[in-house]
Amino acid sequence: DAKTTQPPSMDCAEGRAANLPCNHSTISGNEYVYWYRQIHSQGPQYIIHGLKNNETNEMASLIITEDRKSSTLILPHATLRDTAVYYCIVRLNTGNQFYFGTGTSLTVIP
Amino acid sequence: GAVVSQHPSRVICKSGTSVKIECRSLDFQATTMFWYRQFPKKSLMLMATSNEGSKATYEQGVEKDKFLINHASLTLSTLTVTSAHPEDSSFYICSAGDRVGYGYTFGSGTRLTVV
Repeated sequence: DAKTTQPPSMDCAEGRAANLPCNHSTISGNEYVYWYRQIHSQGPQYIIHGLKNNETNEMASLIITEDRKSSTLILPHATLRDTAVYYCIVRLNTGNQFYFGTGTSLTVIP
Repeated sequence: GAVVSQHPSRVICKSGTSVKIECRSLDFQATTMFWYRQFPKKSLMLMATSNEGSKATYEQGVEKDKFLINHASLTLSTLTVTSAHPEDSSFYICSAGDRVGYGYTFGSGTRLTVV
């Protein structure tokens, strides 16, 4: 069962940072936070994941609060191609299924 | 690495017929694969876990006789929608290849339309 809460939709101006929040107040100590995105009519694409520390890769940054009850995905310079539904998922690391919540539909506006 | 291929990408079938969807791991072996379905403007719903060489594990509410899963090799899982009806029209997605630090890779999905 999905254990995350995300706003249903957000807009972001092209070139600006997109900050997507996620609440996961019931996360357990050994569960990771994963972010995936799904562009229309495609399969989900991995973005980033983390346990406690903030993480950054070529696609995005992940900020996890100290109590781990919430996190924020940051796309530093949003482009039109970043328009997609973004899913925040918590799960134990390798070997367990992903259960998707409702996600946030991000629209990047020119 | 960890490429997952689904076939077909689109299929239209008549009501009452069966449709088979294939999910292949192209550059790795997958003892476990997962099948999801997604209705328009809805999230992905996990249907079942496909285990190589054994029976699939279905999520609650998913009819195992309706959605037959076969995982006969380490690179191929198939989902057969039997006696399809219009309400089975959906986007079906598989995933596999749980790489440490990256999670699962998802296929590109199959759009099933039952007419």
